[in-house]
Amino acid sequence: SQTIHQWPATLVQPVGSPLSLECTVEGTSNPNLYWYRQAAGRGLQLLFYSVGIGQISSEVPQNLSASRPQDRQFILSSKKLLLSDSGFYLCAWSSSRGTEAFFGQGTRLTVV
Amino acid sequence: QKEVEQNSGPLSVPEGAIASLNCTYSDRGSQSFFWYRQYSGKSPELIMFIYSNGDKEDGRFTAQLNKASQYVSLLIRDSQPSDSATYLCAFQAGTALIFGKGTTLSVSS
Repeated sequence: SQTIHQWPATLVQPVGSPLSLECTVEGTSNPNLYWYRQAAGRGLQLLFYSVGIGQISSEVPQNLSASRPQDRQFILSSKKLLLSDSGFYLCAWSSSRGTEAFFGQGTRLTVV
Repeated sequence: QKEVEQNSGPLSVPEGAIASLNCTYSDRGSQSFFWYRQYSGKSPELIMFIYSNGDKEDGRFTAQLNKASQYVSLLIRDSQPSDSATYLCAFQAGTALIFGKGTTLSVSS
């Protein structure tokens, strides 16, 4: 069966510090991978998605970036965090056909 | 801009009642629709998906889709306190899913 791992579960970072969140998927190959953010009182906002290694599509311009160095690994990064980057970050995967998505456990990021 | 509209609630129903959750979407070309449940502090989990007009039943859950009206709903029969959560509607736009802000459901015992 397929599983998705996302870490860390919680993170407190100062403004201006870098960020690296990692997500890996097991039990499937060539998945579509996604990063979503859920801010307090707001819906799930799609940040990035990837259909293959090195292929990244950005949905929202911001100071975040994503990379996919391996087929089942997706990384969300920032060089300098802003207060507005606080939120619940969720990694998800779907099959290459791109239907239903399955989420990791999420990372709650607080920028202070 | 592709969007999903949901009433944020809270929707309050007594235990054993039917809860009705509704959603409208903007992309007339979308073919796939999803309902997710999200407990407080947790990640969303898939409840149901529906691709065709009409009803789709799975246990206590029924999804209804009307593409002409761009409307999708979720009915929860015999609601239980454990159903208390936020329900997210989503549709597929290209490769990714676009989500609504969710409706909070509260089931009182």
